Amino acid sequence: LAKTTQPISMDSYEGQEVNITCSHNNIATNDYITWYQQFPSQGPRFIIQGYKTKVTNEVASLFIPADRKSSTLSLPRVSLSDTAVYYCLVGDINTGTASKLTFGTGTRLQVTL
Amino acid sequence: DGGITQSPKYLFRKEGQNVTLSCEQNLNHDAMYWYRQDPGQGLRLIYYSQIVNDFQKGDIAEGYSVSREKKESFPLTVTSAQKNPTAFYLCASTSGDRYTGELFFGEGSRLTVL
Repeated sequence: LAKTTQPISMDSYEGQEVNITCSHNNIATNDYITWYQQFPSQGPRFIIQGYKTKVTNEVASLFIPADRKSSTLSLPRVSLSDTAVYYCLVGDINTGTASKLTFGTGTRLQVTL
Repeated sequence: DGGITQSPKYLFRKEGQNVTLSCEQNLNHDAMYWYRQDPGQGLRLIYYSQIVNDFQKGDIAEGYSVSREKKESFPLTVTSAQKNPTAFYLCASTSGDRYTGELFFGEGSRLTVL
């Protein structure tokens, strides 16, 4: 199982772009990379998922280099409401397999004015 | 509306008592998970289940038990053997679809041992 490593915390000002990197050196061929956002006393919610190269949706971009040993979540123009904990999750999500999806420690993002 | 329902939201327990946390989903998902979260910490996997009548231990299964008698239900029992049960418990499910395999989480159950 791929272990993930993220910075414990990050600070940003409102309006800036924030990049959070996750290291997963022993990622397996069938593993996907998924990022979640969690607010206090709530369950995490899905942000973005990818396998390789770049994925973009309405809230974030995910950059994955060719060797897939790391990934970077990019949040454009953060606001105060983006203050949360962000988790990188690496795991096999293939149909028919309930894999052992283990979260890392997460990155606590604090956005200020 | 489809989703995951956890109950109760808050639960108080005396030491030595077993308690059961409910998790129900109407998303027709096959896989379900239980995580524990302590203050300021990440999520730790307790148990997970792929199908009915089958489940596997996660990283911190000691002191916990589960059952999966129905596809939509995955209750977690916190037994008296769990030394520090006070925590926030999260249930999740996923379809396991290769292209949309995101985990859907419930709102959590906060257990406090008095």
